[in-house]
Amino acid sequence: SAVISQKPSRDICQRGTSLTIQCQVDSQVTMMFWYRQQPGQSLTLIATANQGSEATYESGFVIDKFPISRPNLTFSTLTVSNMSPEDSSIYLCSVGPGTGKAFFGQGTRLTVV
Amino acid sequence: DAKTTQPPSMDCAEGRAANLPCNHSTISGNEYVYWYRQIHSQGPQYIIHGLKNNETNEMASLIITEDRKSSTLILPHATLRDTAVYYCIVRVEGAQKLVFGQGTRLTINP
Repeated sequence: SAVISQKPSRDICQRGTSLTIQCQVDSQVTMMFWYRQQPGQSLTLIATANQGSEATYESGFVIDKFPISRPNLTFSTLTVSNMSPEDSSIYLCSVGPGTGKAFFGQGTRLTVV
Repeated sequence: DAKTTQPPSMDCAEGRAANLPCNHSTISGNEYVYWYRQIHSQGPQYIIHGLKNNETNEMASLIITEDRKSSTLILPHATLRDTAVYYCIVRVEGAQKLVFGQGTRLTINP
């Protein structure tokens, strides 16, 4: 199993600003995943973060809007840049589906006003 | 990954068995069926997965049809804490991505 800590758990931000979300895992993992869950919707994968290389983004998500860092095997950050109200969502960090079981953080609930 | 189809919502009485169906008619031979659930305001939680045979663990049972085109997640004695959105996902073992559909919102009623 893996324990994932996300910070902050929630935030209210002004439009046009940026927020960096942190994800800390209690064990070393090769890949970390960032998801977005818009209000009332399912989870959508934003990108896969590999240590030592650039993140791989899914269709519809770009690095300029969602820059990701992966400085080591236990930590990653996702930045939501130049925010608008449409970015109001829950952002989740995940590890481990390759083993059959994925583990998720509790999420960061972002409200943009 | 194959697409799955689930009913958008279901209700079940507390103490009864909750049977959640999932159709995955285009599943490939090397794709597993996974179930996750998301309790309100929490991250998704792994429940169970299987390839061909029925599986059981401390949380649930998974029944996969012989042709593998559909499956059923069974919560044998549902409690109020089982109220959640349940996601059925098919993926190749070892594949890193999880692709979530809309899931089934299960409500357990007292």
